[in-house]
Amino acid sequence: DGGITQSPKYLFRKEGQNVTLSCEQNLNHDAMYWYRQDPGQGLRLIYYSQIVNDFQKGDIAEGYSVSREKKESFPLTVTSAQKNPTAFYLCASSILVLRERRTGELFFGEGSRLTVL
Amino acid sequence: LAKTTQPISMDSYEGQEVNITCSHNNIATNDYITWYQQFPSQGPRFIIQGYKTKVTNEVASLFIPADRKSSTLSLPRVSLSDTAVYYCLVGTIYNQGGKLIFGQGTELSVKP
Repeated sequence: DGGITQSPKYLFRKEGQNVTLSCEQNLNHDAMYWYRQDPGQGLRLIYYSQIVNDFQKGDIAEGYSVSREKKESFPLTVTSAQKNPTAFYLCASSILVLRERRTGELFFGEGSRLTVL
Repeated sequence: LAKTTQPISMDSYEGQEVNITCSHNNIATNDYITWYQQFPSQGPRFIIQGYKTKVTNEVASLFIPADRKSSTLSLPRVSLSDTAVYYCLVGTIYNQGGKLIFGQGTELSVKP
């Protein structure tokens, strides 16, 4: 089945540790995104990428890093510099409809819930 | 980037039509309007996308006036399973490189 897969679903981190959240898609989508969601809040954009080997900061990129070495993969590293990393992390992907200058619908993974101990 | 404003919450009853309006006063010429639905602990799910006038699919309709400064998501005959948060998203590939920003969303509660 085509889709977007995030792992792990649950992750616990100790203070000072870096952790990496995996996001893989087999939809052949050009664009990929990482969002963070805190309880009762909306989604905030961390990083996004429209093409391999290129990515842009979102509104809350501090303390996070990403890479886009392959079209299907967009891992997110939560570094020790992120002071309050406990949150629900969502990865998404979409096509880019260049002739209409629009982004197609976002397909989301099931999310990764990170808890700092 | 176009900032969106939605009501924080709405209540409805089963079988009623629900209309959720999103304001986006500084929408750009090339921006599309997209709506998503989110259930707790899940990723948002696409509902509908449009540019102008009216768009309809099997689950919803999207009304966009001529000035495009607002849009209305219409859900016909809602059921309890439509209780969720609904987000309006405005953006385009060429607007800051495809940055897609979600607003706070509207929490819809459907009662029996």
